[in-house]
Amino acid sequence: DIVMTQAPLSSPVTLGQPASISCRSSESLVHSDGNTYLSWFHQRPGQPPRLLIYKTSNWFAGVPDRFSGSGAGTDFTLKISRVEAEDVGVYYCMQGTQFPYTFGQGTKLEIK
Amino acid sequence: QITLKESGPTLVKPTQTLTLTCAFSGFSLTTSGVGVGWIRQPPGKALEWLALIYWDDDKQYSPSLESRLTVTKDTSKNQVVLTMTYMDPVDTGTYYCAHRHGGSYGLDFDYWGQGALVTVSS
Repeated sequence: DIVMTQAPLSSPVTLGQPASISCRSSESLVHSDGNTYLSWFHQRPGQPPRLLIYKTSNWFAGVPDRFSGSGAGTDFTLKISRVEAEDVGVYYCMQGTQFPYTFGQGTKLEIK
Repeated sequence: QITLKESGPTLVKPTQTLTLTCAFSGFSLTTSGVGVGWIRQPPGKALEWLALIYWDDDKQYSPSLESRLTVTKDTSKNQVVLTMTYMDPVDTGTYYCAHRHGGSYGLDFDYWGQGALVTVSS
């Protein structure tokens, strides 16, 4: 199985400041079709996860452009340019390149 | 508009079989590339992918749970059913179903149900 490792596991940030979450995979996530199936999700307490970014850097519909995804191979990053109060919660990366799909441990974003 | 909703028992006893139904609307499971996945989350813990069924009836399972899982679809009812045998207290958690549109879209789990909380206890 591909292991997904996120860092940090907890991130206190100030409103209006940037935030960054790292996700590393134990193997390359480049699929044989040439795509890299790395997604980012945001989950608020008591809510299902919400897709933010797919195929490493593509915004899902309705996602604010203060969120951005980047990376390649085994190293990926989710950045929030200016954190807003609604951004609190847990962020997960997930690889969909190889079965079984696997998630990172989650990164809890909280406001200082 | 795509929606999904999980239903099933909230409490099951150890060794019993869990059956969860995912009722969906806004898409068809006969469309090429479309799939429905199951993901679970123990209380306070991370997400865990369980299974995925595709429009062509291809099925994928988590290897660690494969012997206990079965996923089926009923395209006439727009439903997907997950069964998990030999339930144990460690299987307690929220079970989600989610839409996937693969192929050229590559959209992994873009829409999720609200989740079904399942407690395993005697």
